[in-house]
Amino acid sequence: AQSVTQPDIHITVSEGASLELRCNYSYGATPYLFWYVQSPGQGLQLLLKYFSGDTLVQGIKGFEAEFKRSQSSFNLRKPSVHWSDAAEYFCAVVPASGGYQKVTFGTGTKLQVIP
Amino acid sequence: ETGVTQTPRHLVMGMTNKKSLKCEQHLGHNAMYWYKQSAKKPLELMFVYNFKEQTENNSVPSRFSPECPNSSHLFLHLHTLQPEDSALYLCASSQDDGSRETQYFGPGTRLLVL
Repeated sequence: AQSVTQPDIHITVSEGASLELRCNYSYGATPYLFWYVQSPGQGLQLLLKYFSGDTLVQGIKGFEAEFKRSQSSFNLRKPSVHWSDAAEYFCAVVPASGGYQKVTFGTGTKLQVIP
Repeated sequence: ETGVTQTPRHLVMGMTNKKSLKCEQHLGHNAMYWYKQSAKKPLELMFVYNFKEQTENNSVPSRFSPECPNSSHLFLHLHTLQPEDSALYLCASSQDDGSRETQYFGPGTRLLVL
């Protein structure tokens, strides 16, 4: 069975500092990979996704993620964090074949940004 | 504003009540989803509808009953719930249920079962 691990439940960074959120997955083949952000009182919003090709993926709000097949990882990064980035971030995997019926989400990482 | 609305935003119900959650999407999508988000647990997919046909029922108890009358509307009918059913219920939609599609989420209904 596929699984997604986000090892950091909570991360605190200073505004302007760089950020990396970790995501590791377990799956027999390379799945499609997603990062979502959830602000308080809101639903999830897609930040970026990886299907194939270039392993460095650019997303919205200045985020990027790098797929590393050898490490089964898809870490999210941002070079300079803004206070408005405080939210919860979720990594998700979907089989390349089979559709969203088989989606698996991580437990999330809550990001706190301090001045 | 994602184009997916959910009502009500908050709901408190007793274990013997019957209530319904409503989701509406204004994006022209054909697939709609119900998710359950509980504290400290991964988001759980409950139901998937594609072109009004249910394509996934993820071992959800029968006290949750979905209804998709058309591609724009999705309901979750609730009856005789348990306190452990208290959670945030999220609706989402996408063009279809293929893996490459982007899902758009509503803001959720916060449910408390007493």
